[in-house]
Amino acid sequence: SQKIEQNSEALNIQEGKTATLTCNYTNYSPAYLQWYRQDPGRGPVFLLLIRENEKEKRKERLKVTFDTTLKQSLFHITASQPADSATYLCALDRNDYKLSFGAGTTVTVRA
Amino acid sequence: SAVISQKPSRDICQRGTSLTIQCQVDSQVTMMFWYRQQPGQSLTLIATANQGSEATYESGFVIDKFPISRPNLTFSTLTVSNMSPEDSSIYLCSADRDLGVETQYFGPGTRLLVL
Repeated sequence: SQKIEQNSEALNIQEGKTATLTCNYTNYSPAYLQWYRQDPGRGPVFLLLIRENEKEKRKERLKVTFDTTLKQSLFHITASQPADSATYLCALDRNDYKLSFGAGTTVTVRA
Repeated sequence: SAVISQKPSRDICQRGTSLTIQCQVDSQVTMMFWYRQQPGQSLTLIATANQGSEATYESGFVIDKFPISRPNLTFSTLTVSNMSPEDSSIYLCSADRDLGVETQYFGPGTRLLVL
């Protein structure tokens, strides 16, 4: 069956450090993978999209990697700030304009 | 970018009743979707709301329980029918960002509690 697994544990890190989140999947062949941020009581907000032929993508302090052989994406928040505290969701393309989401990883950045 | 609003933002309902959730987008969009998110869990796609035709439901979701309307390119409704406590969840609508772009905008969600 198809599965998307993100870090099962919440991530607590010190301000200024790098947070690294993982997204592993099985029985998907996504053409792209996306990362969203969700704050409490709000809908997810799109952050980054990476395609199957791209190894790495950056946007400001965010970096995403995508390894289709390992079936894994890594999401990095560098120089983290308390404002980065949120839940981060990985979403996979289902090849039909629809997305499947992971359960998310909650990140808390301590000042 | 599109802005999506949902009404109501939250509600408490009695079992056996129905609730209709509205989703309004501030610009025309091709695809609109309805998701359910239970506490601590991932977003689960309920259905795709198709303009001018019946919604396309995901496995495990049926039209009798979750009727959906999409009268135009900016508006959709989801009804949760004959509710039970198991329907307590957050319901989110989303829309594709732009034609040919695969990312989605999300509404703020409707928090539903069924007693």
